Amino acid sequence: GQNIDQPTEMTATEGAIVQINCTYQTSGFNGLFWYQQHAGEAPTFLSYNVLDGLEEKGRFSSFLSRSKGYSYLLLKELQMKDSASYLCAVRDRRKVTFGTGTKLQVIP
Amino acid sequence: GAVVSQHPSWVICKSGTSVKIECRSLDFQATTMFWYRQFPKQSLMLMATSNEGSKATYEQGVEKDKFLINHASLTLSTLTVTSAHPEDSSFYICSARGGGASSYEQYFGPGTRLTVT
Repeated sequence: GQNIDQPTEMTATEGAIVQINCTYQTSGFNGLFWYQQHAGEAPTFLSYNVLDGLEEKGRFSSFLSRSKGYSYLLLKELQMKDSASYLCAVRDRRKVTFGTGTKLQVIP
Repeated sequence: GAVVSQHPSWVICKSGTSVKIECRSLDFQATTMFWYRQFPKQSLMLMATSNEGSKATYEQGVEKDKFLINHASLTLSTLTVTSAHPEDSSFYICSARGGGASSYEQYFGPGTRLTVT
């Protein structure tokens, strides 16, 4: 099976940078996703990492270390609309399993 | 980007009745569709995976006779909650995955909020 761990809640200030960590244990690792989910809505895709390293996409970056079972999502120049839950999800050979999500609150 | 729709977006039904939820991929062919359930303040829990034209694969603890999944075409999958009970009240989300270079990516529908009274 899979075990995915990420902080439950985080608070950060508008304009700042925040890093959301995710650790995982899985057999047959096949990639790691980050999704954003606003309350009452479906998740939206942010990033996908399958190789080690940093992937940058605008204000959002995602990092993966397969040997450490570790990933982080970096959000720069935070905006109020970034307040949402951020879900780390791990793909193995058969399916994608979601972590419980990190609820990020951006304050003025 | 790829679009997945769900219908209805919300539904209220009486205990003991059945409810059908549709999931459609609008601009791509979905070789695989996934059905998730999400309870308040919890993460998405995979219920089943379906490939077009074959039987769905259910996750452990999900009753296949209660949650009927039909993936009749490459653009449509349905989930029928049979003999619904109040504990089935949840947010049901489908996602679809196509083939090609982006076949790793799952596109999520907007979700269906089911309330059983």
